[in-house]
Amino acid sequence: GNSVTQMEGPVTLSEEAFLTINCTYTATGYPSLFWYVQYPGEGLQLLLKATKADDKGSNKGFEATYRKETTSFHLEKGSVQVSDSAVYFCALSPLDGTGGFKTIFGAGTRLFVKA
Amino acid sequence: EAGVAQSPRYKIIEKRQSVAFWCNPISGHATLYWYQQILGQGPKLLIQFQNNGVVDDSQLPKDRFSAERLKGVDSTLKIQPAKLEDSAVYLCASSFAVNTEAFFGQGTRLTVV
Repeated sequence: GNSVTQMEGPVTLSEEAFLTINCTYTATGYPSLFWYVQYPGEGLQLLLKATKADDKGSNKGFEATYRKETTSFHLEKGSVQVSDSAVYFCALSPLDGTGGFKTIFGAGTRLFVKA
Repeated sequence: EAGVAQSPRYKIIEKRQSVAFWCNPISGHATLYWYQQILGQGPKLLIQFQNNGVVDDSQLPKDRFSAERLKGVDSTLKIQPAKLEDSAVYLCASSFAVNTEAFFGQGTRLTVV
């Protein structure tokens, strides 16, 4: 079946540190991949996406590359800010209809950034 | 463009009571989802509609949960009777089509006491 596995949190970094949050997936067919972010007290927001192998999604300094050979979509940012403190969810949406079209989420990784 | 609207934002009920949540998706979005997000976990899909038809309700506890989208626009999710373990945030999301990104409402936080 389709599933997403994320690194467990919380992740605590100092401001301007490099961030990596690992995400691997299992899916039939060729899913689209997403990173969503949930800031404290707010709803889920799409951060970035990639729809095919080797695509790189980017937004607000965050990047993730769709790696089909390693079934991964790791989130990276070169220099985090305190305002990046949030919970980050990796998600996939299968394209081929097997198991139905739906967005499946990982468990989330909480990021704390200290000033 | 207006986002996904949900109401109420918060609800506290006693176990065995009933509760209903409402969602109005983004205009023109054919796909509507209801997710349950228990504290510390990722959202879990409860039900997915394509227009007014159910695409997937495999994880909906049908003995107590029900959902409808009668005119293919807004949707209601009902729990009857509620249990303590139903305490969670219930998220509604919509997307223009399947396999495109989902846009989320702010959710309804349900506390069952």
